[in-house]
Amino acid sequence: GAGVSQSPSNKVTEKGKDVELRCDPISGHTALYWYRQSLGQGLEFLIYFQGNSAPDKSGLPSDRFSAERTGGSVSTLTIQRTQQEDSAVYLCASSYLPGLRSSYNEQFFGPGTRLTVL
Amino acid sequence: QQQVKQSPQSLIVQKGGISIINCAYENTAFDYFPWYQQFPGKGPALLIAIRPDVSEKKEGRFTISFNKSAKQFSLHIMDSQPGDSATYFCAASGGGADGLTFGKGTHLIIQP
Repeated sequence: GAGVSQSPSNKVTEKGKDVELRCDPISGHTALYWYRQSLGQGLEFLIYFQGNSAPDKSGLPSDRFSAERTGGSVSTLTIQRTQQEDSAVYLCASSYLPGLRSSYNEQFFGPGTRLTVL
Repeated sequence: QQQVKQSPQSLIVQKGGISIINCAYENTAFDYFPWYQQFPGKGPALLIAIRPDVSEKKEGRFTISFNKSAKQFSLHIMDSQPGDSATYFCAASGGGADGLTFGKGTHLIIQP
């Protein structure tokens, strides 16, 4: 079946511009995650959605970052007024959670969006 | 605060040898420990995972060893092959829908 897809695969933008990154999770997966991968920081967890709601937004690096998920499916990560330090690969993952107390949190990752801020 | 420490940063192993990557964690609330494999330009792919109620899990050539008292776990790749050359990440999470906390990664090269 289809895996997690992300678009665009590459995005080059100028400092100060806004960008939107899109994630299509695996069909039927209730949980969706955003991560950032950079040389300096490795893989950082940003935010997760259970259905359409994000219980904890504290992992977002700054208030320029926001994310939403609609219809329990597609999610967008928006970065406003981009800065050079935002340059990284943004990864999305999804998982099927039969119940919130499950520990089998097998997350399937998409190929990522490589963001370059000039 | 780095909650999952991974070593070594890079590793070169001869074909047919055993590759060993180690991780240590600090948060005793973690109860799920996966290993991910990542090739250049691709997202991480789950390789094998373990829960703290077992000390070892084996899937094919890949084995996780887990030491709960020491808060350490390791990945062993037996009969390492050039196709295993990739970056490997250990990770940990608590129950429910927690995000994964990743180690910094190990760049593994298998020499033919």
